[in-house]
Amino acid sequence: DIRMTQSPSSLSASLGDRVTITCRASQNINNYLNWYQRKPGKAPKLLIYAASILQSGVPSRFSGSGSGTDFTLTISSLQPEDFATYFCQQSYTTLITFGQGTRLEIK
Amino acid sequence: EAQLVESGGGLVKPGGSLRLSCVASGLSFSNYGMSWVREAPGKGLEWVSGISDSGGSTYYAASVKGRFTIFRDNSKNTLYLQMNSLRAEDTAVYYCVKDEEGVVVKGETVYYYYYMDVWGKGTTVTVSS
Repeated sequence: DIRMTQSPSSLSASLGDRVTITCRASQNINNYLNWYQRKPGKAPKLLIYAASILQSGVPSRFSGSGSGTDFTLTISSLQPEDFATYFCQQSYTTLITFGQGTRLEIK
Repeated sequence: EAQLVESGGGLVKPGGSLRLSCVASGLSFSNYGMSWVREAPGKGLEWVSGISDSGGSTYYAASVKGRFTIFRDNSKNTLYLQMNSLRAEDTAVYYCVKDEEGVVVKGETVYYYYYMDVWGKGTTVTVSS
């Protein structure tokens, strides 16, 4: 299986900050990488697919980049509703795997 | 609006069985692959199983292969997960998820990307004696 490793595991930031979360795959996955946001008590929400394509309805302050094994999710200016846990997920193989998650907290 | 509603979760003893159901509405269910994803307490998301739109192809995580069976009834817009030989580590919230295919054309090459764009609210499975 392809192992997905996110860093950091948790992150404290302030409103308006620019935040970057990293996801690394254990092998080349081209750009078959998706990002999800998970809030307590709610189902995960798709943010970005194909490493950099913003899902419809997702604010433009979210962006994704990367290819191969290294990927990033960037939030350009943190808003109150962005404090959540973020997961990356590879869809390069049919045996899908997620990263362990990055918890974004208010400083 | 597409909606997925799971049911069938509950408390079961180790070694027991449970069948989860997921009813889809607001989408052409038979056109999409579907998956089950779980989230154990204090842990992250884990993909459990997936099935093609026709039901002809199925996929399983190593942790559940041989114990869980995914299947669907397109005439009822319903996805199922039959869980046998349950273990304490299967305790989790189980989400029913719609798989979407995105198409990107670059020059003369067409790329297909798969992602999970509709999620149910989840059903809780607790395995404990």
